[in-house]
Amino acid sequence: DTEVTQTPKHLVMGMTNKKSLKCEQHMGHRAMYWYKQKAKKPPELMFVYSYEKLSINESVPSRFSPECPNSSLLNLHLHALQPEDSALYLCASSQGPGGPWEQYFGPGTRLTVT
Amino acid sequence: KQEVTQIPAALSVPEGENLVLNCSFTDSAIYNLQWFRQDPGKGLTSLLLIQSSQREQTSGRLNASLDKSSGRSTLYIAASQPGDSATYLCAVSSSSNTGKLIFGQGTTLQVKP
Repeated sequence: DTEVTQTPKHLVMGMTNKKSLKCEQHMGHRAMYWYKQKAKKPPELMFVYSYEKLSINESVPSRFSPECPNSSLLNLHLHALQPEDSALYLCASSQGPGGPWEQYFGPGTRLTVT
Repeated sequence: KQEVTQIPAALSVPEGENLVLNCSFTDSAIYNLQWFRQDPGKGLTSLLLIQSSQREQTSGRLNASLDKSSGRSTLYIAASQPGDSATYLCAVSSSSNTGKLIFGQGTTLQVKP
């Protein structure tokens, strides 16, 4: 099973709201990723978690706060977002951190900030 | 800084045609290259992974090649079908310890019945 699940599928939130995106994988992968994809653009890396520790933060604003409660779960907490943060948020996982491993992506959460 | 380019940006072909999608990268020091498929509004589906030591990978009607020295990869789709219509993205992994993928802009393929 090479499945990564994400909830919710769609989210609409106001600029003062607090919400969370959830990602789960049961492949025993030890690296998990958050990517952001704007319309008609390729995905861009936001965060990398390796063995449940944050290893990469691609200079993402603090209104995005990742959390890795255990090796299977990855959350993205959202607060005081801006309309330009509207995008498809993709979660991915790989067997290990680093170069050689194949990444598997979830279906994404479509976020709209009003 | 690694840059990935995909040509063409869009492609329209009749059903049954064989086609080639191109991907080029500027830094040959890569660990692997992945080809993905993305349907509108959906996530990415991994099609093929080529490790840096490999020259090609095949899955069904898909064949991907890698020439590290020239910084090029191609995705060959045989006997195209309308269901192949999607955006195809290539991505390279250049980092030894982060797994960060650098994506091309994608090629949007339309296969007409």
